[in-house]
Parts: sequence; structure tokens; C-alpha cells
Amino acid sequence: RKEVEQDPGPFNVPEGATVAFNCTYSNSASQSFFWYRQDCRKEPKLLMSVYSSGNEDGRFTAQLNRASQYISLLIRDSKLSDSATYLCVVIYAGNNRKLIWGLGTSLAVNP
Amino acid sequence: DTGVSQNPRHKITKRGQNVTFRCDPISEHNRLYWYRQTLGQGPEFLTYFQNEAQLEKSRLLSDRFSAERPKGSFSTLEIQRTEQGDSAMYLCASSLDWLAGELFFGEGSRLTVL
Repeated sequence: RKEVEQDPGPFNVPEGATVAFNCTYSNSASQSFFWYRQDCRKEPKLLMSVYSSGNEDGRFTAQLNRASQYISLLIRDSKLSDSATYLCVVIYAGNNRKLIWGLGTSLAVNP
Repeated sequence: DTGVSQNPRHKITKRGQNVTFRCDPISEHNRLYWYRQTLGQGPEFLTYFQNEAQLEKSRLLSDRFSAERPKGSFSTLEIQRTEQGDSAMYLCASSLDWLAGELFFGEGSRLTVL
């Protein structure tokens, strides 16, 4: 089993739809969690951190479920500009605080 | 521009040649990472530095790859005797140690090995 797993998609949704992605992690010692966004042929950029209590930033909501070892990203009222790959990142506790990347979930928002 | 800078942005080389990429991180960032990415895949970890110390190197990295960060500022990634399988985007990222998950990436150096 991979340390961090994501459904690669692609998710094809119409504008205005609500879409959710999950990311599962295998190591219960995982400490911190993040969602990154990567546009085609561009570098990844931090979208949002994921806090234990869940957090929201505009149309984006991130949640953590430690019991089931997954994080989620919910996008409401999808825009064409949301089309991208969404990568989850998990950091393990420890001195080096190693980052583990998922392979990403591809989202295409269609007009 | 005070972001992460990488050069060259594109490099085309013949198999067997050596190539070197440079990364200038954000100046106050003490962590520096190198990743490799191919189309449709997530970033693949290569190595990272905390200041000038190379703390981890991926087992996937053959001995043809070497990275340095001599003064804890810029870093270089050298690939010796390039192979066609080395063709990829090489991404550099930097962060503050206590904000380890908040990486700032450069635009990448795209390598094509003919």
C-alpha cells in the first residue's frame, strides 16, 4: 500500500458543481496535512493547510479524519479556473519531518 | 522577484552528457528540496537540504545524481552520463524549517535527453 493515495481521476464536472476529493494515508504518525494545486505544466502551489478542526477558504473546505486516516478537499460552485491537479501532502512526525506526496487528482471543470 | 529561481528553464542534451541545474531559494528559507516530475505523476522526491547539510537522498537516485548546497544558499543538481529516462521536469522548492509543509516551488528545469 502506498503511503499516500489519491484517486487520479480525472473528475469531469460542470461549472457550478460541488466536487470532493479524498486522500488516504497509511502512517498514523502523520502530523501535518496540506493540499497543493498544480496547473498543467506549472509548478505546484500551496492551496491550503488542513487543520484538525477542518478549515474553509472561500469555496474550498479541507477536513481531516484521523480515525479513518484521510483528508478531504471540497470545492463548491466549481469554476473553469479550478481545473488543475490537486496534490495532497502528508508530513510525518520526527526530526526530519519528511513530506510524502500523493500522485494527484485531476479535475476538469467544463462549461 | 524574490521567489525561487531555477535555471536553465530548458535543457536539451544528448545521452551520455552531463547536465547541471541551479536553484536559488527564497533567501531566508533554510530547507531546500529537489523533486523530479514526469507528465501525469506527482513530484518524486530526490533530495533535501537543511542549510548546507544534505539530510536525505532518495533511494531512487542513482549515483549519477549529485546535489550540493555549499553555503546553505543556492543549490546545484548534477546528472552525469544522462539517459533518456532522465527526461523530466526538475523542480526545486524551499521552505522555512518550522513551516515544513509550506513549500515554494520554482518554475522548474525541463530536461530532454535525446
